[in-house]
Amino acid sequence: DAGVTQSPTHLIKTRGQHVTLRCSPISGHKSVSWYQQVLGQGPQFIFQYYEKEERGRGNFPDRFSARQFPNYSSELNVNALLLGDSALYLCASSLATDFLNTEAFFGQGTRLTVV
Amino acid sequence: AQKITQTQPGMFVQEKEAVTLDCTYDTSDQSYGLFWYKQPSSGEMIFLIYQGSYDEQNATEGRYSLNFQKARKSANLVISASQLGDSAMYFCAMREGPYSGAGSYQLTFGKGTKLSVIP
Repeated sequence: DAGVTQSPTHLIKTRGQHVTLRCSPISGHKSVSWYQQVLGQGPQFIFQYYEKEERGRGNFPDRFSARQFPNYSSELNVNALLLGDSALYLCASSLATDFLNTEAFFGQGTRLTVV
Repeated sequence: AQKITQTQPGMFVQEKEAVTLDCTYDTSDQSYGLFWYKQPSSGEMIFLIYQGSYDEQNATEGRYSLNFQKARKSANLVISASQLGDSAMYFCAMREGPYSGAGSYQLTFGKGTKLSVIP
């Protein structure tokens, strides 16, 4: 079975540009979350979507947006890129049940470099 | 205030020895879950072990065990019989309740500990 897949794996963008990152969750998972991991830090929560609705938003500027499609895949969009947006962007899918022990499965991430 | 604190930026352990990675957490919720993830240099986060706030027994998964001390708000990961493949970043994370509705899922991570296993 395919795990969480993210594309692209790497990309380089110039300051001020726009970027779209994509994520396909594990089959049957309706929840997709996005995390930003700056070098040397732990992942920081950006967004979570469940059944195409936003269920959570982290402390990120409005330049960051996301959406989830009917097939539960998701896109993360970042506008007006800044040097500080350079990071590994991780996507996680889960069943998002009310059981606390529900595991989140992560993709290998998209490494974004802003120059 | 940090919700998850991992005070060891880096740790070294001899192959076949045991190592403990520290994690303390801060929450006012009665119901919460604690997770440990391993992140190799490839970047993917690999789930290792889970401990629920109401679990009376410490969690174990193969060579991984969790030393859960609820009163101290600590959830330390113990890796027994370290292997070279254990060299990676290790993250402690928390999922809090109550939730913002059905389908809510959010993890808060610590800064991680880099474990290096020495042959």
